[in-house]
Amino acid sequence: DAGVIQSPRHEVTEMGQEVTLRCKPISGHNSLFWYRQTMMRGLELLIYFNNNVPIDDSGMPEDRFSAKMPNASFSTLKIQPSEPRDSAVYFCASRNRQGSTGELFFGEGSRLTVL
Amino acid sequence: AQSVTQLGSHVSVSEGALVLLRCNYSSSVPPYLFWYVQYPNQGLQLLLKYTSAATLVKGINGFEAEFKKSETSFHLTKPSAHMSDAAEYFCAVSENNAGNMLTFGGGTRLMVKP
Repeated sequence: DAGVIQSPRHEVTEMGQEVTLRCKPISGHNSLFWYRQTMMRGLELLIYFNNNVPIDDSGMPEDRFSAKMPNASFSTLKIQPSEPRDSAVYFCASRNRQGSTGELFFGEGSRLTVL
Repeated sequence: AQSVTQLGSHVSVSEGALVLLRCNYSSSVPPYLFWYVQYPNQGLQLLLKYTSAATLVKGINGFEAEFKKSETSFHLTKPSAHMSDAAEYFCAVSENNAGNMLTFGGGTRLMVKP
């Protein structure tokens, strides 16, 4: 079975540009999570969705960040405008909420560098 | 509320030596506990999980962890380290309730010396 698929794997952009990260969760999973990982702050939960509905976005750092899940098989995380401090690895994870013990399945991550 | 503390952000062992990565948790209800491993430039992979069955849990690559309720611990061990075990390891807890939200520890980077 295909795992969580993220794109792009690497993105290098200049400050001020718009960045869009994409995620395809595992088929049948109904919860999707976006995390950010940096050396300084470790793994941070940004936002999560249940059944395509955003439940908690308290981890989103600023209004420059937005996330959408238009359907069960696709989500985007957008940064506009991007800043150098947004440089990080962004992970998407999914799970099947029914009967779940909480276990998450992670994608390979999108490494963002903002110059 | 739930939380996880991983003692030691970096652990270094020699190849063939015992690996011990420490994890203590706090939970107001019976917890589910997890260890994830992250190899360089990869996502997190589940190593093992405790879900209230046997307290000694065996995972992939020879790792195991023991749930000790009295100590609120879930330490990860492996009898003999391999070079390929060098990675970052994350302990995580979720509570046995409707939300089951996962809370991660800060991670421990394991280095294996030849």
